[in-house]
Amino acid sequence: DIQMTQSPSFLSASVGDRVTINCKASQNINKYLNWYQQKLGEAPKRLIYNTNNLQTGIPSRFSGSGSGTDYTLTISSLQPEDFATYFCLQHNSFPWTFGGGTKLELK
Amino acid sequence: EVQLQESGPGLVKPSQSLSLTCSVTGYSITSNYWGWIRKFPGNKMEWMGYISYSGSTSYNPSLKSRISITRDTSKNQFFLQLNSVTTEDTATYYCAKSPGGYRDYWGQGVMVTVSS
Repeated sequence: DIQMTQSPSFLSASVGDRVTINCKASQNINKYLNWYQQKLGEAPKRLIYNTNNLQTGIPSRFSGSGSGTDYTLTISSLQPEDFATYFCLQHNSFPWTFGGGTKLELK
Repeated sequence: EVQLQESGPGLVKPSQSLSLTCSVTGYSITSNYWGWIRKFPGNKMEWMGYISYSGSTSYNPSLKSRISITRDTSKNQFFLQLNSVTTEDTATYYCAKSPGGYRDYWGQGVMVTVSS
């Protein structure tokens, strides 16, 4: 299985901050990397697919980058509704595997 | 609008089987791939397996001997059965479309507790 190491696990930030979340794969995943946001009691919402494609309806302050084994989600200017848990998912090879999640909290 | 809805018992006894249904509206399950995912207390997530548009399946090796995913195309539903459950199977279970492609659909999730 491909292991996904996500960092940081917790992130404290303020409205307007620029934040980055990272996922490192244990092997090359050929940019088959998605990013999701999840709020308590809700279904995961996909933000980015295949490294850098913005899901329809997601604000442009969210962006993704990366290649090979290293991938990044960037939120350019945090909004109050962005405080949530974020996780990555590789779908290069099955079993598809998730990062451990990043809880983004208001400072 | 595409909607997925999980249903099934919220409490299962150890050693018994966990059975869940995912009802899909607005999109035929004879297109694409459909799977089950679970989120454990503490937030670890696991993609358990999927069923394809043709009915073929693929399972996470960590579950291979205990899991079965089937479907009823006439009802546009697919199902999860997990056998011999333990307390470590306590989780929120989601059904979803496979992660590829530009469309993404998830159910709201159903919490399942394994306890005597």
